[in-house]
Amino acid sequence: DQQVKQNSPSLSVQEGRISILNCDYTNSMFDYFLWYKKYPAEGPTFLISISSIKDKNEDGRFTVFLNKSAKHLSLHIVPSQPGDSAVYFCAASADGNNAGNMLTFGGGTRLMVKP
Amino acid sequence: DAGVTQSPTHLIKTRGQQVTLRCSPKSGHDTVSWYQQALGQGPQFIFQYYEEEERQRGNFPDRFSGHQFPNYSSELNVNALLLGDSALYLCASSLSGTGKPQHFGDGTRLSIL
Repeated sequence: DQQVKQNSPSLSVQEGRISILNCDYTNSMFDYFLWYKKYPAEGPTFLISISSIKDKNEDGRFTVFLNKSAKHLSLHIVPSQPGDSAVYFCAASADGNNAGNMLTFGGGTRLMVKP
Repeated sequence: DAGVTQSPTHLIKTRGQQVTLRCSPKSGHDTVSWYQQALGQGPQFIFQYYEEEERQRGNFPDRFSGHQFPNYSSELNVNALLLGDSALYLCASSLSGTGKPQHFGDGTRLSIL
């Protein structure tokens, strides 16, 4: 059973517009959520995270929204740039105060930003 | 400040062989986790080492084992390799208890023939 799901395998967006990537989870014990970006032949790079005590976290062009009642989170990228083209993974962990806890990943969404 | 480094970058083995992958964590990090990423999927947690002991383990068979050394570096060993073990193996490090995210290396691409 997939506890973290990214239902859109791919997303295409025009440069300068907003990119919205979605993620759903089923495990109520998850309390810490992260987004990673992955380029080919590189490891995942941390982008932004959010604790379950918040519903929004912003860092520059990246904003993550958390809807606990719907068990849904989303990543907004505004404005989108061609360099944002990559695979984006949503991840979750329980007991988020312990950074070492195992991460459960979604299957990823490939974002393509067209110039 | 060196990030997480993994070796080798690529490896080709045949079924039944054994393999050892290595990981050096980011400076200052004391916890190392290993993940397996199959093609087209998200990374799956194998296990985690802290203070030289396995602290958590995912749903992987005993053929997968590991070790953490006093300098916090780590090894992943896989015995009796199967074709299905072909994947990208990622190492991630973190500082336990800080609420800070795990940082990943670029991985080892393991191909089983």
